[in-house]
Amino acid sequence: DADVTQTPRNRITKTGKRIMLECSQTKGHDRMYWYRQDPGLGLRLIYYSFDVKDINKGEISDGYSVSRQAQAKFSLSLESAIPNQTALYFCATQGFSYNEQFFGPGTRLTVL
Amino acid sequence: ELKVEQNPLFLSMQEGKNYTIYCNYSTTSDRLYWYRQDPGKSLESLFVLLSNGAVKQEGRLMASLDTKARLSTLHITAAVHDLSATYFCAVGLLGGNQFYFGTGTSLTVIP
Repeated sequence: DADVTQTPRNRITKTGKRIMLECSQTKGHDRMYWYRQDPGLGLRLIYYSFDVKDINKGEISDGYSVSRQAQAKFSLSLESAIPNQTALYFCATQGFSYNEQFFGPGTRLTVL
Repeated sequence: ELKVEQNPLFLSMQEGKNYTIYCNYSTTSDRLYWYRQDPGKSLESLFVLLSNGAVKQEGRLMASLDTKARLSTLHITAAVHDLSATYFCAVGLLGGNQFYFGTGTSLTVIP
């Protein structure tokens, strides 16, 4: 069952283009997160949100923006994509028990 | 800033052997998580460790937490090929809501 979904799953774009990655969840969790994964660097936090009105920057927010349209939807935007934003992007929600995080399937983004 | 170090980064082991992956972190924490990632896939939760001395086991994997030493271990017993994956530990700050991930350990089990 796809509790956390991400669209698109793969995207190739060009330098300077604006791109939006979308995340939806049916878990009913308030807290949502965006991470990027690069080889050898693990996952790094970009932005997180505790509810529609609460958005927080993570470790590597420069060059990114987010929108929390509803409890179930959290979007990540790259206003002007650059090649070093090529990475695997994950959305996650955080549960009520043990603060465990649940991850979406990921979006593979390539910026040429 | 909390730093999380895993070692080894790469591990190649034969089927049937035992091995341990280590996760060290730099700041007091009350929560540690282990995840598995298959190539091209998402992260799957394996263990949640919430207190000093916590030990969890599932199949051939056993995770433990020593909060005083700021160390968690993931022990693999009698490895099988299906365990080949990348394993991540993640640490939550005391009283906080963010996770800090280790760099991952890429495990390959050779028949």
